[in-house]
Amino acid sequence: DVKVTQSSRYLVKRTGEKVFLECVQDMDHENMFWYRQDPGLGLRLIYFSYDVKMKEKGDIPEGYSVSREKKERFSLILESASTNQTSMYLCASSQLGGDGYTFGSGTRLTVV
Amino acid sequence: GEDVEQSLFLSVREGDSSVINCTYTDSSSTYLYWYKQEPGAGLQLLTYIFSNMDMKQDQRLTVLLNKKDKHLSLRIADTQTGDSAIYFCAEISNTNAGKSTFGDGTTLTVKP
Repeated sequence: DVKVTQSSRYLVKRTGEKVFLECVQDMDHENMFWYRQDPGLGLRLIYFSYDVKMKEKGDIPEGYSVSREKKERFSLILESASTNQTSMYLCASSQLGGDGYTFGSGTRLTVV
Repeated sequence: GEDVEQSLFLSVREGDSSVINCTYTDSSSTYLYWYKQEPGAGLQLLTYIFSNMDMKQDQRLTVLLNKKDKHLSLRIADTQTGDSAIYFCAEISNTNAGKSTFGDGTTLTVKP
């Protein structure tokens, strides 16, 4: 069964900490995406990547960075976590073409 | 930019049909998708339709596409309590370089 795996389901971090959210896919997909989901705001794209070592800003990249050193792994980094980054974070991957996205189960991050 | 809109809530009784509607603005959309999100989980691709089709049926799910009006609907026949979830409409086009645009989701509540 093909899948996207996010390393943690729940995380609690302190304000100012550097936080790494990891995402791994086993489908050899070119495209990978990081979204955050907040009540009433839908899905908001943070960053995406079309290839190894390539990244593009999404709609809300401020306060985040990403790394894609290998095709299967796409990491989201919160350089200095703040309480307004408390959210559900969703990773997704897709193939070129129209087959849609495969999502991970999400990481619920709480920053205290 | 591109936009996808859905109503936020729908409530039906078990056994009834549910119809979730979506409108989009991008006339160059090539694929349109329906995703389902259960509580605390990531999104799961339910079905998709290519833009040159007007209907697709998959067991209890029927997707209707009116390309002229840029209107997409998802009909769930014989709705069950297990269908209670958030349903997201999304589109992708050749002009948006592989990124999907998502609606904000419709929360479907199925009452016994």
